[in-house]
Amino acid sequence: EAQVTQNPRYLITVTGKKLTVTCSQNMNHEYMSWYRQDPGLGLRQIYYSMNVEVTDKGDVPEGYKVSRKEKRNFPLILESPSPNQTSLYFCASSAPGVIGYTFGSGTRLTVV
Amino acid sequence: AQSVTQLGSHVSVSEGALVLLRCNYSSSVPPYLFWYVQYPNQGLQLLLKYTSAATLVKGINGFEAEFKKSETSFHLTKPSAHMSDAAEYFCAVSRKSGGSNYKLTFGKGTLLTVNP
Repeated sequence: EAQVTQNPRYLITVTGKKLTVTCSQNMNHEYMSWYRQDPGLGLRQIYYSMNVEVTDKGDVPEGYKVSRKEKRNFPLILESPSPNQTSLYFCASSAPGVIGYTFGSGTRLTVV
Repeated sequence: AQSVTQLGSHVSVSEGALVLLRCNYSSSVPPYLFWYVQYPNQGLQLLLKYTSAATLVKGINGFEAEFKKSETSFHLTKPSAHMSDAAEYFCAVSRKSGGSNYKLTFGKGTLLTVNP
């Protein structure tokens, strides 16, 4: 089944403790992206990647890092999480000629 | 730059009534347009998308949307609301440039409540 898989689904952590949210897709898609969803703000793009080793900032990149060493994986790294990064995070993938993204199920992160 | 405005953060309808969720977009190039639905505690599901083929787009669960270039609108409608339609709905725009669509820009969402 074609899908985007995020882990974990839920995470509670403390301020300053580094964490990684993983994202993997099995569709051989070139494009991958991370979004965060906050009440009243919709979804905002954090980072995106056009292909392996090609990444760029989205609209709200501060406090986040990404890497794209393999085509299928696009982890989101929070080096020093803060409470304002408490949010619902979505990973998504797409490909040239495919209009639109396939989204993962989301990761709900709480930073205390 | 591209942007999306969803008019009304909360829409309430009675079961069986018309559903109308409004979306206006801004884009410097011909856009791709999307409606996504998010049920409580779930991810995003694509309802329908406009890719310049037909201006009236039919999606899943009886929803449809009409692209109106002159009004820069892409409103979502359903003739008769069902209780199961209660969810949050997001309109999104993507640029159309050489087949590239690597960024979706979302509106802030409209929460649809359906009353019995």
